[in-house]
Amino acid sequence: ETGVTQSPTHLIKTRGQQVTLRCSSQSGHNTVSWYQQALGQGPQFIFQYYREEENGRGNFPPRFSGLQFPNYSSELNVNALELDDSALYLCASSLADTQYFGPGTRLTVL
Amino acid sequence: GNSVTQMEGPVTLSEEAFLTINCTYTATGYPSLFWYVQYPGEGLQLLLKATKADDKGSNKGFEATYRKETTSFHLEKGSVQVSDSAVYFCALYSGTYKYIFGTGTRLKVLA
Repeated sequence: ETGVTQSPTHLIKTRGQQVTLRCSSQSGHNTVSWYQQALGQGPQFIFQYYREEENGRGNFPPRFSGLQFPNYSSELNVNALELDDSALYLCASSLADTQYFGPGTRLTVL
Repeated sequence: GNSVTQMEGPVTLSEEAFLTINCTYTATGYPSLFWYVQYPGEGLQLLLKATKADDKGSNKGFEATYRKETTSFHLEKGSVQVSDSAVYFCALYSGTYKYIFGTGTRLKVLA
C-alpha cells in the first residue's frame, strides 16, 4: 500500500509569484486535506476536498485554492505569494476519521 | 469553538525516564482524539488514537486514555529512548471536516 506522497520536497519563490503543490493520496482514500505549518507551530487547516468538491475551508484567503482529481490526487495553488506564506505545507488523506499525512513541501518565499 | 491545549515545551528527559505530555481539549459532542509525532524535517505520523470516552490508544510503548470527565488525552510512556526525540501533537476531530491541532510539545531525550 502506497502512502501519501507530496511534490516537490522544497521550493523557493519570490513575493508575488504563484506556486502549485501536489499530493497523491493513499490508495482508496477519497478525501484530501491541506494544512499550513509555520515554524514552531501546529498545522492550520486550509481546506478539504471530497470526491473532487471542496468540503470545507479554514481561515485562509481566496488566493489559496485547490483541486482534486478523479484519482483523488490533489493540488494546492497559492497566488500572489507573500513572505508569511513561507511554511511547511502538509497534505493528508483519509477514508474515515483518521488522517494520514505526507512528508510535506517546504515553501520559502523571498 | 473547538480547541486543543498542550503543555509548553521543550521537555528534556534522560533515557529510560517516564514521560507525560499533557493535552486537554474543548469540543462539542464526542470528538475522536489523536497523537501525532513529527521528526525533524518530516511530516506527521499517526502515533495513536481513541474514538470514545475511556478508550485507551497505544502504540510503540506510548499510551493515552480518553478522559471525558477531565476533557484530557495525556500521552505517556514508561521508558523513553533517545529515538523518541521529536515534536508531539495532540489533535481532535469532531466530525466536521477538519482536525484541530495543539501547538506541539518538543521532547528531547538525553543519553
